[in-house]
Amino acid sequence: AQTVTQSQPEMSVQEAETVTLSCTYDTSENNYYLFWYKQPPSRQMILVIRQEAYKQQNATENRFSVNFQKAAKSFSLKISDSQLGDTAMYFCAFTDNAGNMLTFGGGTRLMVKP
Amino acid sequence: GAGVSQSPRYKVAKRGQDVALRCDPISGHVSLFWYQQALGQGPEFLTYFQNEAQLDKSGLPSDRFFAERPEGSVSTLKIQRTQQEDSAVYLCASSIPGHSFKETQYFGPGTRLLVL
Repeated sequence: AQTVTQSQPEMSVQEAETVTLSCTYDTSENNYYLFWYKQPPSRQMILVIRQEAYKQQNATENRFSVNFQKAAKSFSLKISDSQLGDTAMYFCAFTDNAGNMLTFGGGTRLMVKP
Repeated sequence: GAGVSQSPRYKVAKRGQDVALRCDPISGHVSLFWYQQALGQGPEFLTYFQNEAQLDKSGLPSDRFFAERPEGSVSTLKIQRTQQEDSAVYLCASSIPGHSFKETQYFGPGTRLLVL
């Protein structure tokens, strides 16, 4: 069974600074997909960024980028130029090549301070 | 375009009551998922449909939980004889298998269930 671990329950960052959220996972699969989802207080889960394991290049989406280390089974999220609207719970998630259920980590609560 | 919608957004039930939670997926999305999210935790998988077929129900915690998607679109999650431990947010998500990003699931706002 796959597991996803987020070791930072809470983090804070000053507005305009950079923050990195950690995620590790465990799987015996060789091809799989990793995601970071954002869940603001309204509770709508929003996709932030995704990475396919067979792609070596790290995914980027505007201010969001990942550091994907396949051998280490690590998938961290970097948020540059943090904005107040980035305040939310962030969940790392995994799915295998069958593309079925997502396995989520426990989440990291990020607070961006003015 | 319209996203995934869920109703009701909030539901308070007395212990022992039956509840029904509805999910309207994004139009054309073949796959539909239900997750349960306890307070302060990540979502946990409950069940998965492809069209009207329930392909995986391994996450349903007990036989009090039942899900259906009779016409391959709207889905209903039913909880019979609710217990306090059923209190959680129930999230629905949909996706398109076969699409280049088939693994990306789009979530609804959730139904917050409180069992008293």
